[in-house]
Amino acid sequence: EVRLVESEGGLVQPAGSLRLSCAASGFTFSSYAMSWVRQAPGKGLEWVSTISASGGSTYYADSVKGRFTISRDNSKNTVYLQMNSLRAADTAVYYCAKDRGTTVTAVDSWGQGTLVTVSS
Amino acid sequence: QPVLTQSSSASASLGSSVKLTCTLSSGHSDYIIAWHLQQPGKAPRHLMRLEGSGSYNKGSGVPDRFAGSSSGADRYLTISNLQSEDEADYYCETWDTNTQIFGGGTKLTVL
Repeated sequence: EVRLVESEGGLVQPAGSLRLSCAASGFTFSSYAMSWVRQAPGKGLEWVSTISASGGSTYYADSVKGRFTISRDNSKNTVYLQMNSLRAADTAVYYCAKDRGTTVTAVDSWGQGTLVTVSS
Repeated sequence: QPVLTQSSSASASLGSSVKLTCTLSSGHSDYIIAWHLQQPGKAPRHLMRLEGSGSYNKGSGVPDRFAGSSSGADRYLTISNLQSEDEADYYCETWDTNTQIFGGGTKLTVL
């Protein structure tokens, strides 16, 4: 059974930083791309970033490009999202997601989500 | 890149059937999509992968009441014998070379 467990989010001040992690189990982690998808309060799902299975390619939504960095450690079955220069508009539940293939494809498993609140 | 269009809301009676639609933008009618459901206060759950041919693969544990179909640029999710727990938001998703794309979601109310 696929299991994706995100680290705790939290309250961060505007312009601050936060790193999320997601521990994966139940599948061959190094064979699949991983993504982060977020959901602002009362809104729909928004893709944030994807990293290829090898970690050699990364992709970002325009809204986070230059501020967020996705990475992975295949030896630890963990994917990370480093978020810098946070804004109020980044307030959302962040979901770790497993993709179906080795690069950007559709999600086929979801984590439980973690809330990030950006506020002074 | 493709755009996915979904009706914002739908409703149907307990025990009946409902067909939700996700429409791909012009020039992208052959794209594969995925359907996900999100019950109130919960994380999304993957339902199925659906091809333009109408062939679909359901996720683990998805009940037989859920089925997919396609016609041109339209991708459908049909839920039969509606249960109260089917009241949820339903999202379609596709992808292009460097991005994932989500539809705006359909809020399904079970009457």
